[in-house]
Amino acid sequence: NAGVTQTPKFRVLKTGQSMTLLCAQDMNHEYMYWYRQDPGMGLRLIHYSVGEGTTAKGEVPDGYNVSRLKKQNFLLGLESAAPSQTSVYFCASSYSRLAGLVSTDTQYFGPGTRLTVL
Amino acid sequence: SQQGEEDPQALSIQEGENATMNCSYKTSINNLQWYRQNSGRGLVHLILIRSNEREKHSGRLRVTLDTSKKSSSLLITASRAADTASYFCASTTQGGSEKLVFGKGTKLTVNP
Repeated sequence: NAGVTQTPKFRVLKTGQSMTLLCAQDMNHEYMYWYRQDPGMGLRLIHYSVGEGTTAKGEVPDGYNVSRLKKQNFLLGLESAAPSQTSVYFCASSYSRLAGLVSTDTQYFGPGTRLTVL
Repeated sequence: SQQGEEDPQALSIQEGENATMNCSYKTSINNLQWYRQNSGRGLVHLILIRSNEREKHSGRLRVTLDTSKKSSSLLITASRAADTASYFCASTTQGGSEKLVFGKGTKLTVNP
């Protein structure tokens, strides 16, 4: 199992450009999440999804859009990048109904995407 | 807003010593978890403690939870250089178990 993978690993954008970050998981997890991590700020939730075709806003959703067309994929889009979106972005997933896990709250993280907006 | 706040922000110890990190949170929780992040990597789950538990062990890790004080502590015994990482507490609030709220983390350095 690859777990949670993210592409790309690094990206540099100019202000106003758009891009999509892709997250994929092979654990049949129902829930998926996008976080950003900034120095001294910990992780902040951008958007999340509790199932295919559903999305919800997190703590810092402005400037981002997401889609969950397939259960295994969760896409994060920046329509018009701004320097304030320079950050490290992490995807995570959790909760498999089929696994019979006692805990449904443990999240599994991808390796991150380092995004710089100039 | 951050639910958890770790203390201290940074901790430097010698190999073999114990490391204690604390986490305080604001609202009632379902459970509290601790994650570890090596430099440049994603977070890795270490241990989960439920609101009705007071202490939990996993290898060299010991976690305590005091719901009356809204605080938790993570103890790493007999630390190793490989334990050098940032450690985050995260909690699920009652009624919102699909979301984790993270603290800002404690950066632990274990010197060989």
